[in-house]
Amino acid sequence: GENVEQHPSTLSVQEGDSAVIKCTYSDSASNYFPWYKQELGKRPQLIIDIRSNVGEKKDQRIAVTLNKTAKHFSLHITETQPEDSAVYFCAGTGYSSASKIIFGSGTRLSIRP
Amino acid sequence: GAVVSQHPSRVICKSGTSVKIECRSLDFQATTMFWYRQFPKQSLMLMATSNEGSKATYEQGVEKDKFLINHASLTLSTLTVTSAHPEDSSFYICSARDRGTGAWTKNIQYFGAGTRLSVL
Repeated sequence: GENVEQHPSTLSVQEGDSAVIKCTYSDSASNYFPWYKQELGKRPQLIIDIRSNVGEKKDQRIAVTLNKTAKHFSLHITETQPEDSAVYFCAGTGYSSASKIIFGSGTRLSIRP
Repeated sequence: GAVVSQHPSRVICKSGTSVKIECRSLDFQATTMFWYRQFPKQSLMLMATSNEGSKATYEQGVEKDKFLINHASLTLSTLTVTSAHPEDSSFYICSARDRGTGAWTKNIQYFGAGTRLSVL
């Protein structure tokens, strides 16, 4: 089955700087990679996703890149702001509607003022 | 985006009692829902896949007689923690997948707000 590894587990950056979180996956059949942001005690919120037929996707300050050959994908947050502080989870899943989403272990991002 | 309602948000119960948690998709139909458990400062661990009209599929190590799942309609799945014990205390989150009309929309999962269970 799929295994998703995520690092770093914690990340602290100065406000305004960029943050990068990296993930690797094991199942070459996985073709959809969402990223979730979870604030303390709240539900995970989808912030961006990428499908295996594209290599990069950008939405304002957030971008995700995917390298299918190497089986890794990354989240990039530019011009970080205090409200970006949260736990971020990467995930991988397959095409089937019954495919499970397998989450990475999470990265706790702290933005220093 | 689509809305998933989870109820209750918080429950405190005595050891030995059973607790039912509901997960509803409010504006879409979900043939598949998922139940996760999350311990403090840890990731979401998939417990089971809830399939409308059929038996749930449990992950390895999850007791199906302990965590009863029912998915009787396209908009409702329930998780019942039977004979709860303190070690069952955790944050339980459901998610639902939009049955969708497009090939890619099936991938997207929407999460409930979670239920914090405390067993005394």
